[in-house]
Amino acid sequence: GENVEQHPSTLSVQEGDSAVIKCTYSDSASNYFPWYKQELGKGPQLIIDIRSNVGEKKDQRIAVTLNKTAKHFSLHITETQPEDSAVYFCAASSGNTPLVFGKGTRLSVIA
Amino acid sequence: NAGVTQTPKFQVLKTGQSMTLQCAQDMNHNSMYWYRQDPGMGLRLIYYSASEGTTDKGEVPNGYNVSRLNKREFSLRLESAAPSQTSVYFCATPKPGAEATNEKLFFGSGTQLSVL
Repeated sequence: GENVEQHPSTLSVQEGDSAVIKCTYSDSASNYFPWYKQELGKGPQLIIDIRSNVGEKKDQRIAVTLNKTAKHFSLHITETQPEDSAVYFCAASSGNTPLVFGKGTRLSVIA
Repeated sequence: NAGVTQTPKFQVLKTGQSMTLQCAQDMNHNSMYWYRQDPGMGLRLIYYSASEGTTDKGEVPNGYNVSRLNKREFSLRLESAAPSQTSVYFCATPKPGAEATNEKLFFGSGTQLSVL
């Protein structure tokens, strides 16, 4: 089955700097890669997703890149703000199989 | 229009007690999911239901049972709770417009369960 590895587990950046979180997946058949943000005491919230037929997708300060050959994908947050502080999860799936999640990255944005 | 509603929000059980976690969605999607979240472990799938009348095991199904009561409701039951089941439990279903049964999941706010 699919295995998703996520790095780093914790990340601290200065406000205004960029943050990058990386994930690798094992199943070459995986074709859907979402990213979720979880604030304290809340459920995970989808922030961006990408399919395998696209190499990059951007939504304002957030972007995701996918390298199918290397089987890894990354979340990029530019101009970080204190409200970006949260736990971020990547996930992967193929077809209609359930999502498999990474173990999460705790991002702290220091003002 | 709450999306995904989970009850209760908090629960404390003694070892061996039973309880049912409730989940109801108004996203009008066929598929629903139960995940558990433990520190440093991410989200792990317990059970899912691709449509009314069907359920399937996920990565960590032992000690749990599920019931897909109707299109809206999917419950998770612990028959004999164990301390290892102390966790935060999330129910999820795809948002309207999702093209596949596993895309654009919308999560409830969770149930924090402690088993003593």
